Amino acid sequence: DAMVIQNPRYQVTQFGKPVTLSCSQTLNHNVMYWYQQKSSQAPKLLFHYYDKDFNNEADTPDNFQSRRPNTSFCFLDIRSPGLGDAAMYLCATSRDFGQGRDQPQHFGDGTRLSIL
Amino acid sequence: KQEVTQIPAALSVPEGENLVLNCSFTDSAIYNLQWFRQDPGKGLTSLLLIQSSQREQTSGRLNASLDKSSGRSTLYIAASQPGDSATYLCAALSGSARQLTFGSGTQLTVLP
Repeated sequence: DAMVIQNPRYQVTQFGKPVTLSCSQTLNHNVMYWYQQKSSQAPKLLFHYYDKDFNNEADTPDNFQSRRPNTSFCFLDIRSPGLGDAAMYLCATSRDFGQGRDQPQHFGDGTRLSIL
Repeated sequence: KQEVTQIPAALSVPEGENLVLNCSFTDSAIYNLQWFRQDPGKGLTSLLLIQSSQREQTSGRLNASLDKSSGRSTLYIAASQPGDSATYLCAALSGSARQLTFGSGTQLTVLP
């Protein structure tokens, strides 16, 4: 049973044309993350939500935005994709119990974004 | 700033061998260390999580150890199988923002 679901699996867009990637979860986790992973590289955290609180990484380009309308869904918006934004985008969730009791992050299968 | 390194970048072994994958991190003040598996074109599957207070974790043929003081973790795979072929990534949770920092992974191929 899929627990973190990303749609679509493959997305092709044109240079400069806005695109939205979606992620949904059935785990009821309070934390959701978006990572960018380029070929043969480590996943890089773009931002995360702790419940409704948005946390942007310092080096995440302004071109990238995110929305979390409810616990189950989170969206990644790329306002004007450039060739350098072609990558696998991974969504992950975790339950944060606080007090240092960190739990594993659960990942979706990713969306591979291509830019024409 | 935390940096995580994995060596080797790629490894090829015959079926049945026991093997060790290495992971090192620069900031020893970590909350935990996770090992993931990634199949081609797929997301990450969590294999083992070692809390900072622990020394090792085991799951089936997998054993992960953690030495915080030296900034190192190893993933031991016993009796390797072709189905173990994948990229293995380690990641350290650290910093005030509790950010997960990944290594670039070791691509493992187990030959039948």
